[in-house]
Amino acid sequence: EAQVTQNPRYLITVTGKKLTVTCSQNMNHEYMSWYRQDPGLGLRQIYYSMNVEVTDKGDVPEGYKVSRKEKRNFPLILESPSPNQTSLYFCASSHSGTPGGNEQFFGPGTRLTVL
Amino acid sequence: AQSVAQPEDQVNVAEGNPLTVKCTYSVSGNPYLFWYVQYPNRGLQFLLKYITGDNLVKGSYGFEAEFNKSQTSFHLKKPSALVSDSALYFCAVGRRSARQLTFGSGTQLTVLP
Repeated sequence: EAQVTQNPRYLITVTGKKLTVTCSQNMNHEYMSWYRQDPGLGLRQIYYSMNVEVTDKGDVPEGYKVSRKEKRNFPLILESPSPNQTSLYFCASSHSGTPGGNEQFFGPGTRLTVL
Repeated sequence: AQSVAQPEDQVNVAEGNPLTVKCTYSVSGNPYLFWYVQYPNRGLQFLLKYITGDNLVKGSYGFEAEFNKSQTSFHLKKPSALVSDSALYFCAVGRRSARQLTFGSGTQLTVLP
């Protein structure tokens, strides 16, 4: 089954404790992206990757890191989480070429709470 | 730059009645427009998209959307709403050369039995 998986689905942590949220897709998509969803703000893009070893900042990259060492994986790293990073996070992927025009496939989401 | 606005946070409609969820956009050049739906505790699912061609686009689950270039709108419609259509709906805009989609703030649709 074609899908995007994320782990963990739920995470409660404390300020400053480094964490990683994993994302994996099995559709051989070149483009991958991370979003955060906050009430009233919709989805805001954190980082995206056009292909392996190619990453770029989205609209709200502060406090986050990413890496793309393999095509299928795109982990999101919070080196020192803060309470304002409490949010619902989504990973998505699509065929590249024209990422601004392609359907994106979304993972199930990771609900992060930073105390 | 590109942006999208969903002017209604909440839309309520009775089952069997037609529904409309509004979206307006701003983009330089020709827009690529999308609708996604999010059910509780789920990721976003693609409903439909407009790239070029016929202004009326048909998508999944009986939904359709009308592209109106002069009004820069892309409203989502369905002739007869179902209770199961209750969900959070997102409009998104992109461009051929863009590396990003920009999403609206979402509209919560509630279909009342």
